[in-house]
Amino acid sequence: QVQLQQSAAELARPGASVKMSCKASGYTFTSYTMHWVKQRPGQGLEWIGYINPSSGYTEYNQKFKDKTTLTADKSSSTAYMQLSSLTSEDSAVYYCARDHFDYWGQGTTLTVSS
Amino acid sequence: DIKMTQSPSSMYASLGERVTITCKASQDINSYLSWFQQKPGKSPKTLIYRANRLVDGVPSRFSGSGSGQDYSLTISSLEYEDMGIYYCLQYDEFPRTFGGGTKLEIK
Repeated sequence: QVQLQQSAAELARPGASVKMSCKASGYTFTSYTMHWVKQRPGQGLEWIGYINPSSGYTEYNQKFKDKTTLTADKSSSTAYMQLSSLTSEDSAVYYCARDHFDYWGQGTTLTVSS
Repeated sequence: DIKMTQSPSSMYASLGERVTITCKASQDINSYLSWFQQKPGKSPKTLIYRANRLVDGVPSRFSGSGSGQDYSLTISSLEYEDMGIYYCLQYDEFPRTFGGGTKLEIK
């Protein structure tokens, strides 16, 4: 069965960077794009961007373009999202979701605090 | 960017009631619309894709309809487990955009 297993919660300092992961199983990793979505506490869903694991092609929401780097490792079927220059505004749950959002990871909670 | 206007933002409904949530896109999205349900502390769960196609395993009381700019999600007979927040998403164009959400509570 398709599963997207995300990395554990993170606590980071303002100004730091963090890299979280989304390990895919149960399907051919390179056959589907991977999207990332942000949800701040009590707020709605925001699309960050996506990566095509086969080609490495990425597309970003302009709002997150300077904040985010998406990568993928075909050998381990894992997608990664790095967030840089962290501020309190980056504190949120981050989800990965396959292709047309048919499967979602369980989310990684990022807390940015000094 | 395509703006997705979802309504209502919150609602109360009784068990057994028919519930409809709507999403209006700022332009034609060619039925590239999905609906999700989210419960507290959980990931969104996909209910409907391509405007009206029910995801396997989702109860048949859920249905989607619409075309062009206007779409709706209907629950034919509300059950207790249907409480949660519902979101629409357009995937016709980048950036993908979500509706603001509808919080559905049981009266």
